Amino acid sequence: ELKVEQNPLFLSMQEGKNYTIYCNYSTTSDRLYWYRQDPGKSLESLFVLLSNGAVKQEGRLMASLDTKARLSTLHITAAVHDLSATYFCAVDSQETSGSRLTFGEGTQLTVNP
Amino acid sequence: NAGVTQTPKFQVLKTGQSMTLQCAQDMNHEYMSWYRQDPGMGLRLIHYSVGAGITDQGEVPNGYNVSRSTTEDFPLRLLSAAPSQTSVYFCASSYSVSVNSPLHFGNGTRLTVT
Repeated sequence: ELKVEQNPLFLSMQEGKNYTIYCNYSTTSDRLYWYRQDPGKSLESLFVLLSNGAVKQEGRLMASLDTKARLSTLHITAAVHDLSATYFCAVDSQETSGSRLTFGEGTQLTVNP
Repeated sequence: NAGVTQTPKFQVLKTGQSMTLQCAQDMNHEYMSWYRQDPGMGLRLIHYSVGAGITDQGEVPNGYNVSRSTTEDFPLRLLSAAPSQTSVYFCASSYSVSVNSPLHFGNGTRLTVT
């Protein structure tokens, strides 16, 4: 059974600071997704990481994937209040080939002025 | 372009009642799925479909049925509602499982079973 663990689960940070959210998974995979969810809203796709060493950046967010370590990171640079949301990673195991994503519990990020 | 449309947005049921959550997408996506979201548990896959006429079980399928008679629609049926099914339900679709496209989510249905 594929397990996906995120840490921290709750993160409170000040504007202007940097921080990293970690996503560990338990089985072989070369596809990992990051999503953002605002309170009471739906999920929107942030990044799709498809190979070992993949790195993607959008604004103040940068995601990377290390398939050998079974680890993805979401790095936040110089946080701003608008980044406050819950961030999920989701992994697809090689066995299910894209049909069954397993989500982490989510990291609730609060950026304080 | 409407994307993924879910109805209703809110629903209250009594234990034992049945109902259908509707999901439709207008993007000609092959893959559709249903997730439930509960506090502290992320999203859990209920059922999914890789094309019209094809469905399969996810992680938590008990108490739910699905069908996929058309590419556009993927309704989720609760057979006999239980309080444990109180949750937020999300329908999601993607172009194809063979293409590494992310899921597009609907706005969710908040279901309360009393």
